[in-house]
Amino acid sequence: EIVLTQSPATLSLSPGERATLSCRASQSVNNYLAWYQQKPGQAPRLLMYDVSNRATGIPARFSGSGSGTDFTLTISSLEPEDFAVYYCQHLTNWYTFGQGSRLEIK
Amino acid sequence: QVQLQQWGAGLLKPSETLSLTCAVYGGSLSVYYWTWIRQSPGKGLEFIGEINHSGSTNYNPSLKSRVTMSMDTSKNQFSLNLSSVTAADTAVYFCTRKYRGYFFDYWGQGALVTVS
Repeated sequence: EIVLTQSPATLSLSPGERATLSCRASQSVNNYLAWYQQKPGQAPRLLMYDVSNRATGIPARFSGSGSGTDFTLTISSLEPEDFAVYYCQHLTNWYTFGQGSRLEIK
Repeated sequence: QVQLQQWGAGLLKPSETLSLTCAVYGGSLSVYYWTWIRQSPGKGLEFIGEINHSGSTNYNPSLKSRVTMSMDTSKNQFSLNLSSVTAADTAVYFCTRKYRGYFFDYWGQGALVTVS
């Protein structure tokens, strides 16, 4: 059973700063790794798939990297609308999601 | 642009059956799998099950005994029934489209279902 562990649980940053969010898998996920953004009261929004491919309409300040078991979502320069909860997700174990990382305004 | 709109009863008593429906606009049910995912504070995001246009279903084993999904292609809608609900089924339920075999690119707005 593959478990996805996200860190940090909460990240406090200011607009304009760079955000780095981590997702670690307990076993290799063969690059079947997606990222979502969720704002309060809204459904998750697909950001990235296959580790580093941006979904339609996602700004270039979002990027994904990593391989095997360690993955990173980077937001190069935070905009006010980027403060939200971020989830990683994989194929196995019935499409398991990480527990989420909250990005909050400092 | 594909849009998913969902509806269903929001307040249930224990042992009742949860019923939700999701309508798909701007796309056909004839391609892809269509899924239900729920989110609760205790369990996070949890995949419930999926259905395709031929009626093929796959259910999360943790819920399989209580889940039934169906599809009405004439209305471009699909539905979820979850029987014998308990307080543990209290969650926000989302309908989604599964793309490329593993990720979810379109989501409904979500429906809070409370069992009390």
